[in-house]
Amino acid sequence: AQSVTQLDSQVPVFEEAPVELRCNYSSSVSVYLFWYVQYPNQGLQLLLKYLSGSTLVKGINGFEAEFNKSQTSFHLRKPSVHISDTAEYFCAVEQGGSEKLVFGKGTKLTVNP
Amino acid sequence: GAGVSQSPSNKVTEKGKDVELRCDPISGHTALYWYRQSLGQGLEFLIYFQGNSAPDKSGLPSDRFSAERTGGSVSTLTIQRTQQEDSAVYLCASNSRRDRAHEQFFGPGTRLTVL
Repeated sequence: AQSVTQLDSQVPVFEEAPVELRCNYSSSVSVYLFWYVQYPNQGLQLLLKYLSGSTLVKGINGFEAEFNKSQTSFHLRKPSVHISDTAEYFCAVEQGGSEKLVFGKGTKLTVNP
Repeated sequence: GAGVSQSPSNKVTEKGKDVELRCDPISGHTALYWYRQSLGQGLEFLIYFQGNSAPDKSGLPSDRFSAERTGGSVSTLTIQRTQQEDSAVYLCASNSRRDRAHEQFFGPGTRLTVL
């Protein structure tokens, strides 16, 4: 069965610093990859996704992620974070044809002034 | 256009009672999903409806859980004889499989507390 590992449960950073949130998944066979963000007391919002093509994908709010098939990773990056980026971030995988998402445990990003 | 809506936003119930949680997907979306978000387990898939096909129930944790989708639109998740371990946020999502965009749109969730 597909599994997703988010290596850091919490990441504290200072405002304007770069950040990388790590995500690894168990199988590279025909997967679609996603990052979702959840602000406090809200639902999940899609940040970006990889379906095919260029391995570097850009999303909303200045975030980007790179699909690395050999390392089965899909790390999320932002060069300069803002206080408003404080939220929980979830990496998710849809194995081709399964039509359901398998989520990582989430990473809580806290941006401090 | 409205997004996915869920009701109630919060539900407190006593152990042993039945509860019903409602999801209104985005109009025109043929696929509807239920997920559960809990502290210990993270986000887990529960059930998936696609058009008139038989639902994928592979994520339902026990036979106390069931869901239906009427008229291809609104869905109700029912938990019978609730237990304390059912306490979680229940999230609904929908998408249009026809556009092949694979993006699921999530509702705000229903926070269920079983006392």
